[in-house]
Amino acid sequence: DTEVTQTPKHLVMGMTNKKSLKCEQHMGHRAMYWYKQKAKKPPELMFVYSYEKLSINESVPSRFSPECPNSSLLNLHLHALQPEDSALYLCASSRLGQGFGGYTFGSGTRLTVV
Amino acid sequence: DAKTTQPNSMESNEEEPVHLPCNHSTISGTDYIHWYRQLPSQGPEYVIHGLTSNVNNRMASLAIAEDRKSSTLILHRATLRDAAVYYCILVGSGGSNYKLTFGKGTLLTVNP
Repeated sequence: DTEVTQTPKHLVMGMTNKKSLKCEQHMGHRAMYWYKQKAKKPPELMFVYSYEKLSINESVPSRFSPECPNSSLLNLHLHALQPEDSALYLCASSRLGQGFGGYTFGSGTRLTVV
Repeated sequence: DAKTTQPNSMESNEEEPVHLPCNHSTISGTDYIHWYRQLPSQGPEYVIHGLTSNVNNRMASLAIAEDRKSSTLILHRATLRDAAVYYCILVGSGGSNYKLTFGKGTLLTVNP
C-alpha cells in the first residue's frame, strides 16, 4: 500500500458545526502532516506529527484541532469555522531519518464552510 | 528556510523534452533539493530529489549545478498528463522533521 487516504473527499459544514477530517496511511511512515490550500495558491503547512506527537503547529487557530491516535491515523477536528476556512485540506506522510525519500500526499478533502 | 525561485509558467509541446529551472542561491550544505508536482484537483506528487549528484528515476531527471545554487528538472518526453504545477523545494536534513514549504511553483502547459 503506497497511498495516503483522506475522507471525506468533500465536506460542507455550517459555522456552528463540528466535523472531522480523517487521514490514513499504511506505509509505516512515522511523520504525518496537515496542509491547507486555497484556490490558485500553494499548500501551506498547518501541523506536523512526528512519532505520534505534535512537533510543529504553524500558529493555526484553535478552531482546528489535530489528533494522531496511532502511527497510521491522523485526524483534523473542526469547530466553529469561518467561511474563509473553505479550502482543500491535504494530508501527507513521510519516513524520518535516513530513510526519508519524500512526502506522500493524499488527494485532499475539499471543505466548504457556509 | 532557504528560498527557491522558479518561472511562473512554461510551455512545451507534447513528446518534446522540458527543462524546468530552479534557483536556490542561499542553499545550505545539508539541504536536499526536492521536486513535486500537482495536477489539477489532486494532491502534490513527489517527483524526485537529490543532494549533490544528478539523479534519474522513472518520472524525470534532476540536474544539479556544481555549486548547488541552481537545479533543473528534466522531463524527457512531455505528455499531456505532465501538465501541472511543478514545485522546487529545499528540505533541510537537520532535526527529526522535514518541513516542506511550498513556493509558487511553475505552471507547465503541454500543447498537443
